[in-house]
Amino acid sequence: QKEVEQNSGPLSVPEGAIASLNCTYSDRGSQSFFWYRQYSGKSPELIMFIYSNGDKEDGRFTAQLNKASQYVSLLIRDSQPSDSATYLCAVHEYSTLTFGKGTMLLVSP
Amino acid sequence: DAGVIQSPRHEVTEMGQEVTLRCKPISGHDYLFWYRQTMMRGLELLIYFNNNVPIDDSGMPEDRFSAKMPNASFSTLKIQPSEPRDSAVYFCASRVDSWVNTGELFFGEGSRLTVL
Repeated sequence: QKEVEQNSGPLSVPEGAIASLNCTYSDRGSQSFFWYRQYSGKSPELIMFIYSNGDKEDGRFTAQLNKASQYVSLLIRDSQPSDSATYLCAVHEYSTLTFGKGTMLLVSP
Repeated sequence: DAGVIQSPRHEVTEMGQEVTLRCKPISGHDYLFWYRQTMMRGLELLIYFNNNVPIDDSGMPEDRFSAKMPNASFSTLKIQPSEPRDSAVYFCASRVDSWVNTGELFFGEGSRLTVL
């Protein structure tokens, strides 16, 4: 069974710091990877996706992919208290997304 | 567009009762997914449809669960009889038939089910 693993956290960082969220996946054939953010009591919302090895930047967010190591990460620069949420890593398999359990991020003012 | 619409937002019921959750996907989306989220198991795929046809229901936990999509704008997830372990947030999500540009799943607000 394909698995997506994330540290449950919480990951605590001070405001303005860089938050680093990590994810590993079991299926070496996986091609596309997604990061979703979920605020408490809300539904997941897409932050960004990546399918090529290397870095992809979007504003304060950078996704990093290393297919050889089966590793995906999300960096959040200049973290803000409003970034406090659970971050879900998801892997595209067939027509669906398989999600990790998420990492809770807490950004303190 | 109004987004994916789910109802009810909250449901409290007693063990043994039938529960029906409803979903209206975004117009024009070809795929519809039902996920269940709990603290222990995270976000799990239950079933998904493509053009109203069920494609994979291997995530449906038991025969007590059933899902239908009678047309492109409506789907239901039914639990009969319900049990306390079914308590969770049930999300419906939809997407277009293309992963090229974004691959984004659009989620509804979820239906929080509590079975006493």
